[in-house]
Parts: sequence; structure tokens; C-alpha cells
Amino acid sequence: AQSVTQLGSHVSVSEGALVLLRCNYSSSVPPYLFWYVQYPNQGLQLLLKYTTGATLVKGINGFEAEFKKSETSFHLTKPSAHMSDAAEYFCAVSDRIKAAGNKLTFGGGTRVLVKP
Amino acid sequence: DTEVTQTPKHLVMGMTNKKSLKCEQHMGHRAMYWYKQKAKKPPELMFVYSYEKLSINESVPSRFSPECPNSSLLNLHLHALQPEDSALYLCASSQGRGAGTQYFGPGTRLLVL
Repeated sequence: AQSVTQLGSHVSVSEGALVLLRCNYSSSVPPYLFWYVQYPNQGLQLLLKYTTGATLVKGINGFEAEFKKSETSFHLTKPSAHMSDAAEYFCAVSDRIKAAGNKLTFGGGTRVLVKP
Repeated sequence: DTEVTQTPKHLVMGMTNKKSLKCEQHMGHRAMYWYKQKAKKPPELMFVYSYEKLSINESVPSRFSPECPNSSLLNLHLHALQPEDSALYLCASSQGRGAGTQYFGPGTRLLVL
């Protein structure tokens, strides 16, 4: 079974500083990889995803992530944090199957706090 | 349009009540999902419908009963719930095949008294 590990349940950054959220997956076959963000009392919003091709993926709100097969990682970064980035971030994976309805396996989440 | 709508936004019910959660999407997606999310935890998959057929049931207790009347609508019928079932219930949908991104609704926050 797939497993996803997010290092650090809480991350505190200063406004304007680099945001780095770590995600490692367990599968020997690279899965599809996703980062979602959840603001308080809301659903999840897709930030970016990796399926194939270029390993550096750009997403919304200035975020990007790099797929590193050798490290089984998919870390999320943003060069300069904004107060609006305060939220919960989830890394998720799904198997490379062609059937409809892929099961997403989530990491434990990382709560980002942005200090002024 | 990438919107998934869920009603109601909030629900309070007693342990003997019967209620239903509703989810709707008009993106032509053929896979729909129910997740349960407890506070400060990631979402946990409950059910997956693929082309209106139940394809995954993650060993969910029978007091939760999903229904997919058509390709745009997904219901979750609730009966005889327990206080520990209080959570945020999220619906999602994705395209029929491959690495379809799952689009999430805002959720229904359920409180069981």
C-alpha cells in the first residue's frame, strides 16, 4: 500500500521568506503526485500535480514542486511567503492506473504559519 | 467551471435521526468520492463511484449509505450515527480515467449529538 510522509506537522515562516514543505512517498513505481491546500473551514484546492514529463511543476499562487525519483520526493516550495499562504497543505499520491476513480493517499498535512 | 457543491454546509443530528448529504458537479466527471476528515487530520476515503457504480468501499460502517442517482449527483445517507462520526464530510469528483485531478467541494460539517 502507498504511504506518504510529510516532514513537519507545523512550519513557521516569516513573510517574504522561502516556504519549503517536504513530501516523500513509498512506492517503487512513481505514482501521480499532488499538492493540495486547505484554508480553514474550506475544502481542498489543487496547487499542482505531477503526472509525467518535466519534473519541475509550477502551480497556482507562486508555488512549485520538483519530482525526484531517486529520492522518492515531491517537495513544495514558494520563494516568498505571503500572509495569505497560511493554511494546511497536503501531499497526496495515486497509483498509475487507467480506471476511473483513483484512490488518493494523503500525507499527514503541514500547517503553515506566516509571521509578519 | 471546476465547482463541486455540497449541501448542507452544517448539520446537527441526533443518534436516532436519518439525514442525507448531497453533492453535485456539472463538469462531466464520471468518478465521485466521499471523504471524512477529522480535525487536524488528512481526509480519509470512504467511497468511490465510477460511472455511477460503487467501485471502492473502504470498509465503512453500514450506518453510512452512499447513492449515486446519476452522473452529476452523489448522496450520503446517514442513519444511527455515533458522536465519533462528527467530522467534515468532503465530496470530490474527477474525470473518468487516468490521473484525473480530484476537485473537492467545501464540505458538510456534521455534528452528532
